[in-house]
Amino acid sequence: EDKVVQSPLSLVVHEGDTVTLNCSYEVTNFRSLLWYKQEKKAPTFLFMLTSSGIEKKSGRLSSILDKKELSSILNITATQTGDSAIYLCAVEFGTNAGKSTFGDGTTLTVKP
Amino acid sequence: NAGVTQTPKFQVLKTGQSMTLQCAQDMNHEYMSWYRQDPGMGLRLIHYSVGAGITDQGEVPNGYNVSRSTTEDFPLRLLSAAPSQTSVYFCASSYLSGKSGGYTFGSGTRLTVV
Repeated sequence: EDKVVQSPLSLVVHEGDTVTLNCSYEVTNFRSLLWYKQEKKAPTFLFMLTSSGIEKKSGRLSSILDKKELSSILNITATQTGDSAIYLCAVEFGTNAGKSTFGDGTTLTVKP
Repeated sequence: NAGVTQTPKFQVLKTGQSMTLQCAQDMNHEYMSWYRQDPGMGLRLIHYSVGAGITDQGEVPNGYNVSRSTTEDFPLRLLSAAPSQTSVYFCASSYLSGKSGGYTFGSGTRLTVV
């Protein structure tokens, strides 16, 4: 069974802290791993990772993929209250491009 | 560009009723999909399509039908609504190849079945 597991399920930190979110996967014919941020509405795209060891960065957010360990991490440095959201990891897999399985998400709460 | 347009935004159904959730995209994306999201859970794939005339089942297809007669539209039909189908539904689309931006999601439909 194809699956994506995220940890922790929830996290509460204070502004300025650094957080690391984890995503592990077991799928057949891995294609890519994607991170999304979901606030009150629909998820919005953060990163797409296809190669091991290459860090993707956007401001205070960064992510890296380890295909040997079948996992990825999402780092957020100097957290702000606006980072409070559900962070979703998705893995695209299979013989047909496009199909993705999502993890259950990590709910991050950043307190002032 | 409108992106992905979902209608309606909210819907209340009685058990046994049928309805269609509409999804349209104007980005010429080949791939379209429907997900449902329940509290405390991620998105679960219901059905997906890689092009007009082609559809396939996802993880939780029972009780739902889809069709893809055009590239732009991918409606989701609930055949006989049940309380277990109370959820938030998202339509998502993307290119199949050369993709670097992940899915584009619609704004969601909050469905309650009573």
